[in-house]
Amino acid sequence: EAEVAQSPRYKITEKSQAVAFWCDPISGHATLYWYRQILGQGPELLVQFQDESVVDDSQLPKDRFSAERLKGVDSTLKIQPAELGDSAMYLCASSTSYNEQFFGPGTRLTVL
Amino acid sequence: ILNVEQSPQSLHVQEGDSTNFTCSFPSSNFYALHWYRWETAKSPEALFVMTLNGDEKKKGRISATLNTKEGYSYLYIKGSQPEDSATYLCAFGDRGSTLGRLYFGRGTQLTVWP
Repeated sequence: EAEVAQSPRYKITEKSQAVAFWCDPISGHATLYWYRQILGQGPELLVQFQDESVVDDSQLPKDRFSAERLKGVDSTLKIQPAELGDSAMYLCASSTSYNEQFFGPGTRLTVL
Repeated sequence: ILNVEQSPQSLHVQEGDSTNFTCSFPSSNFYALHWYRWETAKSPEALFVMTLNGDEKKKGRISATLNTKEGYSYLYIKGSQPEDSATYLCAFGDRGSTLGRLYFGRGTQLTVWP
């Protein structure tokens, strides 16, 4: 069964360092989403891609976060510099339509 | 940011008990309501996507209902089993937002004791 892949699964970094997360969606899925889940809250959309284009990044803190999906397939989310408040689970999801989204296992980020 | 509320926040039941959770969402601009199950160390798994008022969906012992006019959905688990232990998330799709964008609740954490 096809799955969304994410790496790394866990990342510990010090504040002010740069971190990057990678996501490989299910083959053929044109829409890719990055979510952040802070402990005790629900997942919140950071950025949504349709193929290689960003269609929604209204909640992305653009002073320190960036996301790209250069060839419309896999995607990278970067934080530079990381802050203590960035500690969270970062989830990637993909879909073919605007209904069911398929999620990866997430990257747990801890910023010290 | 649209408000999606889930209750209760956590629930502990005995094996064999039936249980239900509530998801409340805005009653205007409804597009879709999703339910996900998220087990520890695994990927969130889609349970249901509902789009029509009055929808009822069922998968095994789990079922869900939808009332878009009053803005709520119920998730029912009949005869809970330890393997049902997970966080259950609901997510609201808003017609006025970017197509496909979902607004998640905080989830209900279910623990089923043997």
